Parts: sequence; C-alpha cells; structure tokens
Amino acid sequence: DGGITQSPKYLFRKEGQNVTLSCEQNLNHDAMYWYRQDPGQGLRLIYYSQIVNDFQKGDIAEGYSVSREKKESFPLTVTSAQKNPTAFYLCASQNRQGRAFFGQGTRLTVV
Amino acid sequence: GNSVTQMEGPVTLSEEAFLTINCTYTATGYPSLFWYVQYPGEGLQLLLKATKADDKGSNKGFEATYRKETTSFHLEKGSVQVSDSAVYFCALFISNFGNEKLTFGTGTRLTIIP
Repeated sequence: DGGITQSPKYLFRKEGQNVTLSCEQNLNHDAMYWYRQDPGQGLRLIYYSQIVNDFQKGDIAEGYSVSREKKESFPLTVTSAQKNPTAFYLCASQNRQGRAFFGQGTRLTVV
Repeated sequence: GNSVTQMEGPVTLSEEAFLTINCTYTATGYPSLFWYVQYPGEGLQLLLKATKADDKGSNKGFEATYRKETTSFHLEKGSVQVSDSAVYFCALFISNFGNEKLTFGTGTRLTIIP
C-alpha cells in the first residue's frame, strides 16, 4: 500500500540524549513536513522540505534537526538542546495539488 | 502572508444536532482549501477539499463551500454522531513556485454527547 510511515509509535528519551524519529513515504511526493502537537493544541511546523537535499526551518526549529538525503525519507532528530521535547510528532508528505498525507505519529516522552 | 482562522473550541453538541465550524482565510492568489480530521492518538486524515471558488467539498455527511467573496470555507453537517467527535483542522495551499507550503488553522475540538 502507498502511504507514509512513522516509527516508532512511542519513544522515551532520557535527559541529555538525542533521538531520531523516522518518517518514510512511498508516494513519490517531493514535499515533506514535520509538526509538533502538544496536548489539546494545534500543529506547529518544525521543518519542511520541498525537494531532496533542501529543507527550511519552520516556526519552532530550535533544538531540532533534519536531513533529506532521499526523496522517501525525512528523519527528525530531537537534540538535547530541545528543553521540552515531550509531545506528539507528526510527519506529512504533500502532493502537487496540496493534499497532505499524515503518518500515525510518534509520541515522545522524556523520562 | 497566508493564514487560516478557525472557530475556537471546544465545541460540544448533542447527537443529531446541526454543526458549523467556521473557517476564514487570508491568501495572496487562489488557494485550494481543505478540512482535515484527527481522531484521538492518530494523524490527520483528509475529510474534504475544494480547489476553486463556489466548489463544494463533501464527505461522510460533511460539506464545505469555497466562498471567495467572504474568504470562507465553513464546515457543516446536518446531524452529528458520537463518532464525529474529533479535532477538525482547516487548511489552505497555494502553488507558488519555489514557496509552496501548507497553512493550517489551530484546530477545533468537537465533542458529541449521546
């Protein structure tokens, strides 16, 4: 099936650790996005990429990093510089008509 | 820049009530408009869309009409069910070569009481 896959579904991070969230799509979309969602809140854009080997900061990029070495993959690293990383993270890809396809999300918890 | 303003929630209705969730937008150009739905613990799913003025998107009993004159795309349903309880997001997209990015509203949480 075509779609977008995030892994893992749940992730626990110790203080001071970097962790990487995976996002893979087989929809052949150029554009991909990472969003953060806090309880009861809307979506906040972390990073987005419109083409391989290029990406732009969103509204809350501090403490996060991304790469886009392949069209299919857009991993997000939550670094130790992110002081409050506990949240629900959503990855999406987007077709040329603007429709977004979302993964099932990764829930990150700091322990 | 582009922006989407949604009706603030939460919204609580009784089953079989009529639903309206307001959405207005600001955009330079001619956007495509979308409604997405998010069920608890999941990602967002496309609910409906409209790509030009006066288009009506519809799905699962929900409807929204693209009104260019009022820059609005309000979501409606004639008779809601408990299973419609979710968070609803309005969004727009404009194709602008080299700067194409989705813009989402803040989301409206809907709870339907039996």
